[in-house]
Amino acid sequence: AQSVTQPDIHITVSEGASLELRCNYSYGATPYLFWYVQSPGQGLQLLLKYFSGDTLVQGIKGFEAEFKRSQSSFNLRKPSVHWSDAAEYFCAVGGSTGTASKLTFGTGTRLQVTL
Amino acid sequence: SAVISQKPSRDICQRGTSLTIQCQVDSQVTMMFWYRQQPGQSLTLIATANQGSEATYESGFVIDKFPISRPNLTFSTLTVSNMSPEDSSIYLCSVRGTSGGNVGTQYFGPGTRLLVL
Repeated sequence: AQSVTQPDIHITVSEGASLELRCNYSYGATPYLFWYVQSPGQGLQLLLKYFSGDTLVQGIKGFEAEFKRSQSSFNLRKPSVHWSDAAEYFCAVGGSTGTASKLTFGTGTRLQVTL
Repeated sequence: SAVISQKPSRDICQRGTSLTIQCQVDSQVTMMFWYRQQPGQSLTLIATANQGSEATYESGFVIDKFPISRPNLTFSTLTVSNMSPEDSSIYLCSVRGTSGGNVGTQYFGPGTRLLVL
């Protein structure tokens, strides 16, 4: 069965500091990996995705993530956090086709940004 | 990317009643998904809805409680039946991209925020 672990429930960083959110996954085949962001009262917005190829993927809002197969990880990073980045971040894993494409989400990491 | 709308955006309902949530997509898609996000929790898949076939429900979710319709390739409904306060959640519709760089990507609607009293 597929699963996602986000070990950090809550992270606080200062504005301008760097950020890394951890994500570990379990999946029996080649995974499709995603990071989504959810602001309070909002839906989910796709930040970035990894399907294949270059293991370092760039997303929107200055975010990037690195796929490390040997560590089953897909950590999200940002070099300089802005106050508007405060939100809930979800990592998700799924397959490529059919019913395997359904997503399994981690429990989320709530990011607080201090000024 | 797909543009997804949901109706209603929020509702307050009495226990024992039912609510039907609509999901409309701006393009034809084969697979649509319904997720539930309970307060302060992550997302859990309720069911996968393919046009022309019965929805496939995940463990812990049953058709009598969450009947789903998928009449065409751009529309689906989820009904939350005989509601109780435990059904208070955000219900999200999702579709899987089918063309170009969107293939395999799942896009989410804005969600329906349901409070059951």
